[in-house]
Amino acid sequence: AQSVTQLDSQVPVFEEAPVELRCNYSSSVSVYLFWYVQYPNQGLQLLLKYLSGSTLVKGINGFEAEFNKSQTSFHLRKPSVHISDTAEYFCAVSDPGNNRKLIWGLGTSLAVNP
Amino acid sequence: DTGVSQNPRHKITKRGQNVTFRCDPISEHNRLYWYRQTLGQGPEFLTYFQNEAQLEKSRLLSDRFSAERPKGSFSTLEIQRTEQGDSAMYLCASSSGTAIPFVQETQYFGPGTRLLVL
Repeated sequence: AQSVTQLDSQVPVFEEAPVELRCNYSSSVSVYLFWYVQYPNQGLQLLLKYLSGSTLVKGINGFEAEFNKSQTSFHLRKPSVHISDTAEYFCAVSDPGNNRKLIWGLGTSLAVNP
Repeated sequence: DTGVSQNPRHKITKRGQNVTFRCDPISEHNRLYWYRQTLGQGPEFLTYFQNEAQLEKSRLLSDRFSAERPKGSFSTLEIQRTEQGDSAMYLCASSSGTAIPFVQETQYFGPGTRLLVL
């Protein structure tokens, strides 16, 4: 069965430092990949998605992610984080048997400290 | 575009009671999804509507759960005879899918309804 692994449950980082949130998925077929962000007491907001084409995807708020098919990874990066980036980040992949259904990771809690 | 709205935002109920949540999608979005999210977990898919038709229902959704989207606009999720294990955040999302061979569209999420069953 399809699965998504977010390798870090919590990532503490200082303001203006770079950050990478790691995501690996298990699938031997083509999938669509997503990163969502959830701010405290709010719903999920799409950061970026990979459907096809260039493996480097740019999203909102200065985030980007790189799709690596050979390593089945889709890591999220930002070169310089802000306090306001403190949130829960979720990686999701479309179910290859059902493109409407998203399979979600457990989330990574990013804590940006001054 | 006012976004997806959900009501109520919070609900506390006693075990055995029935609860109903409402989701208003982005206007003219024809696809509507319900998810459940428990603490420390990612969202779990519950069910999906295309217009008023409920096209898929997760095995997670027991017989106590029912969802409707009667006119293809807002949707309701009802839980009968609530149990403590139903305590979770219930998320609604909508998207503007078409009948064309499927391309994954962006799902826009509401703020969720947090349910606590005592």
